[in-house]
Amino acid sequence: DADVTQTPRNRITKTGKRIMLECSQTKGHDRMYWYRQDPGLGLRLIYYSFDVKDINKGEISDGYSVSRQAQAKFSLSLESAIPNQTALYFCATSDFLGGPTQYFGPGTRLLVL
Amino acid sequence: GQNIDQPTEMTATEGAIVQINCTYQTSGFNGLFWYQQHAGEAPTFLSYNVLDGLEEKGRFSSFLSRSKGYSYLLLKELQMKDSASYLCAVRGGNTDKLIFGTGTRLQVFP
Repeated sequence: DADVTQTPRNRITKTGKRIMLECSQTKGHDRMYWYRQDPGLGLRLIYYSFDVKDINKGEISDGYSVSRQAQAKFSLSLESAIPNQTALYFCATSDFLGGPTQYFGPGTRLLVL
Repeated sequence: GQNIDQPTEMTATEGAIVQINCTYQTSGFNGLFWYQQHAGEAPTFLSYNVLDGLEEKGRFSSFLSRSKGYSYLLLKELQMKDSASYLCAVRGGNTDKLIFGTGTRLQVFP
């Protein structure tokens, strides 16, 4: 079984809709991250969380919110989706005690019409 | 500011050696990562350098010079499956946050 899972894997939605992307991990890591990837722009950090009570904005948090429901779960919400949020979204995890390497989920491909 | 530069695309021949360079200017430095990413898939960890010098791991090696703000990833005995994007990422300061370059797309030809 995959250590980091993301649901859904693909999603098409319409402008103005609220959408939630979910990430779960069985690695026992305390730190979780949400990135988006756009062609030519690389991976950009949206939000990150170092433990259940800790939420921090990344470089492109506008239009997004997150919830850390448990150590193993970190959800990303688009409150009112817009077409320029069409991207590939990745969740990642790392462990404070295990070192800084981040491990990525399989990604969610989101299309906003 | 934060800036990470790597070539956009490279091509090479199966069995050859290729070197992918990465230069960085970041506020704080606490290590440099290389990830491999096949099209449409998740990035997977290749290497982590925090001290100057060469780290070798099988066919892949990674080099770091902190004074020059420079790293390279060396891939030997190239195989077709090495066709992928290679992402350079810097860990800035005393945090696990990573700053990614835009990636180098490597195509390996027979």
